[in-house]
Order: sequence, then C-alpha cells, then structure tokens
Amino acid sequence: DAEITQSPRHKITETGRQVTLACHQTWNHNNMFWYRQDLGHGLRLIHYSYGVQDTNKGEVSDGYSVSRSNTEDLPLTLESAASSQTSVYFCASRRENTGELFFGEGSRLTVL
Amino acid sequence: DQQVKQNSPSLSVQEGRISILNCDYTNSMFDYFLWYKKYPAEGPTFLISISSIKDKNEDGRFTVFLNKSAKHLSLHIVPSQPGDSAVYFCAASKTITGNQFYFGTGTSLTVIP
Repeated sequence: DAEITQSPRHKITETGRQVTLACHQTWNHNNMFWYRQDLGHGLRLIHYSYGVQDTNKGEVSDGYSVSRSNTEDLPLTLESAASSQTSVYFCASRRENTGELFFGEGSRLTVL
Repeated sequence: DQQVKQNSPSLSVQEGRISILNCDYTNSMFDYFLWYKKYPAEGPTFLISISSIKDKNEDGRFTVFLNKSAKHLSLHIVPSQPGDSAVYFCAASKTITGNQFYFGTGTSLTVIP
C-alpha cells in the first residue's frame, strides 16, 4: 500500500541546534506540505511544494526551510532550533484533482 | 487571525445519538471545505468534503452541511459510536486544487457508551 512516513517520530534537541525532519511518500503526489499543530492554533502551514525543485512559504515559515530534490521526499529543516518550535509536525501530500490531503503520523519535537 | 474557527473545544454525546460539530469561516473566497478526524498519536485522516456549489454532502453516517450566507458548516454523525471519539478539524481552501488549506482549532468529540 502507498503511504506517507515521517521520521523521527520523537526528537528532543537543544536550542540553537539544526534539526531535520524527514517525510517520504510513495503515492507519487506532486504536492507536499508541512504543518505544525499547537494547542489553540490547529494546524498551521509551514511550507509546501508543487513538485521537484519547487518550494513555497506558508503562514509560519520563519525559522524553517524545505528542499525538494525528488517527488517522494520533502525534508523540513530547522536551521537553529528555538523553544517556540516545540510542536508536533505533520507532513502531508495531496491527491491531484480531489483536494484531499493525506497526513503522516507526525513528529513530536521538543526544543530545550 | 484565525480564518476558520471551531468555537467548541469539546463535545460529549451518548452512543447512538447525533453528534453535531460546527465550524465558522470568515473568508468569503473559500470554496472547498473538508473535515478531518484525528486520533491521539496519529495523523489526521480525511473524513468528508464539500464544495461551495453544494449545501450538503453525505457519506454513510457522516453528513456535512454548508451555509454559505452564514459562512458556517457543520458535520453530523448519526448514529454516534464510541470509535468516533477523536478530535475533528474542519479546513477550508479557496479552490479544490488550492494548496493553502486553513484549519480550525479542532473539536474533541467523546462518545459515551
């Protein structure tokens, strides 16, 4: 079965360190997304990509970057982790022409 | 500013009864709406959607109603089952192919056996 996987599922890091969260999907979807989920805010869009070599900023992109070197992967990098980036991060991909997003299981990041 | 709002953080319903989850939005450009269900430690899963050309969409026990003039949508679950206990998010987009989905803050539904 096609799927979308995230790693690591849990990560504890220190302020100022670089962190990369991986996202891999096997549906061959062109559109991929990164969201963060925080209490009182729901899911907020960090970055998204329409396809290889394409990346776009979402509503909360400061302090994050993504790259898209192939269709399957969209890694999310925190260049210098801050305590405000403690959150649960969800990667998603979108099936073309239906609007439906498929989410990974999430990565819980704690920045101390 | 939250463009999609779910004003009820939690809801408890008896098994077999109807669950009604509400969602309001502020942006009149939104054209496509979705509901997602989320269990603890899992990613959200798609439940049902509706485009603005319709006012109702039904899928088994789940029905979504859209009132464009009131900028309001609701999800009805009938009959409610204990397995429906989860957090429900509504989301909106300006087009069905748009990539900017705006999510509400979620409503935690508990179905009491």
